[in-house]
Amino acid sequence: TQLLEQSPQFLSIQEGENLTVYCNSSSVFSSLQWYRQEPGEGPVLLVTVVTGGEVKKLKRLTFQFGDARKDSSLHITAAQPGDTGLYLCAGVEESGGSNYKLTFGKGTLLTVNP
Amino acid sequence: SQTIHQWPATLVQPVGSPLSLECTVEGTSNPNLYWYRQAAGRGLQLLFYSVGIGQISSEVPQNLSASRPQDRQFILSSKKLLLSDSGFYLCAWSVGWSGGAKNTEAFFGQGTRLTVV
Repeated sequence: TQLLEQSPQFLSIQEGENLTVYCNSSSVFSSLQWYRQEPGEGPVLLVTVVTGGEVKKLKRLTFQFGDARKDSSLHITAAQPGDTGLYLCAGVEESGGSNYKLTFGKGTLLTVNP
Repeated sequence: SQTIHQWPATLVQPVGSPLSLECTVEGTSNPNLYWYRQAAGRGLQLLFYSVGIGQISSEVPQNLSASRPQDRQFILSSKKLLLSDSGFYLCAWSVGWSGGAKNTEAFFGQGTRLTVV
């Protein structure tokens, strides 16, 4: 099983600040996903990046997939208290056809203080 | 629309007792199904995944087992719970393919908070 390392593990910032969260692996993934999870609930998909070097934007969130498809970053501009949550990256390992599995990193717990 | 149901939401069980957590998916057929365990505020550890009825892949040797008796039903079980089995258990499904393209998005249930005492 391929491993994903996320950093930082914890991040506490003030409203309006910018931040970047990183997801790194020594292995190549066919694609990579970012999820956000709120306490007591399951994670919800934010974005999937597939192509090396790909950049996707979701309002104030910018996601980038590394050229070698081993790493990804999530940048949040002008963070708001509503951005608070656990951010998880997940790598897709394919084993042919529709067979694949998701391997999750340990997450970055973000707190945005008003 | 597709929905996923996972129950119970919370469970307190004594050490040595059996466990059965059930997950069902509605509105889709032949989904990939997953069981994850999550430590408090941390990442998800894949326990089992299934690509079809009776097909179970185990990721981590442990005190748990999984079964898929029907296409959209996934069950997590244990014969004798250990204290270390406490945690937040999440069931998820993905479609595999949709509209001719691979779709790997996972949809999660609300989770079961298991406390072994």
